[in-house]
Amino acid sequence: EIVLTQSPGTLSFSPGERATLSCRASQSVDRTYLAWYQQKPGQAPRLLIYGASSRATGIPDRFSGSGSGTDFTLTISGLEPEDFAVYYCQQYGSSPWTFGEGTEVLIK
Amino acid sequence: QVTLKESGPVLVKPTETLTLTCTVSGFSLSNDRLGVSWIRQPPGKALEWLAHIFSTDEESYSTSLKNRLTISKDTSKSQVVLTMTNMDPVDTATYYCARLETTTIWGCDYWGQGTPVTVSS
Repeated sequence: EIVLTQSPGTLSFSPGERATLSCRASQSVDRTYLAWYQQKPGQAPRLLIYGASSRATGIPDRFSGSGSGTDFTLTISGLEPEDFAVYYCQQYGSSPWTFGEGTEVLIK
Repeated sequence: QVTLKESGPVLVKPTETLTLTCTVSGFSLSNDRLGVSWIRQPPGKALEWLAHIFSTDEESYSTSLKNRLTISKDTSKSQVVLTMTNMDPVDTATYYCARLETTTIWGCDYWGQGTPVTVSS
């Protein structure tokens, strides 16, 4: 089973800052099968990024994804108030599919 | 308009079997690009993937829960059903179903609102 590690669990930023979130896999993941989700309190997750770097429909271009192999990154350039949330990575490359533990982005 | 809606009991007793239904609209469960996953989230904790069913009826399960889970679908009713046996208080969580596009996206692009399940005697 591929373990996805998102650390640290919490990051604090001021609005307007650039946030870089990490997702590391215990084994190589084909980037086609790496997705990022955003979740706000009381809401279902929302797909942000698929294929490691492609933005889902309606996602602002301040969200970008990169990486390959075992290291993937979600970058939010210029944090808006609505971006403070929890972010999860997920891999579909190897069954069982797995999620990371999430990174919470807090307002400093 | 694509929607998914979970339904099932809010409260189950330990050792009972949980049956959850995901009713979808706006797409067909026979579409070979689409499948449905179940994901859960205990209060204050991370998402956990549970199971997936493809348009071909192929099933995939979480390794740790495989022996307790069954996923199935009724295409004519546009429903995907998840059963989980031998429920325990640690299974208390919000359970989501989500549509997975497996051709160009490989991501869950639509989610249900989630249904809370509490396991308690």
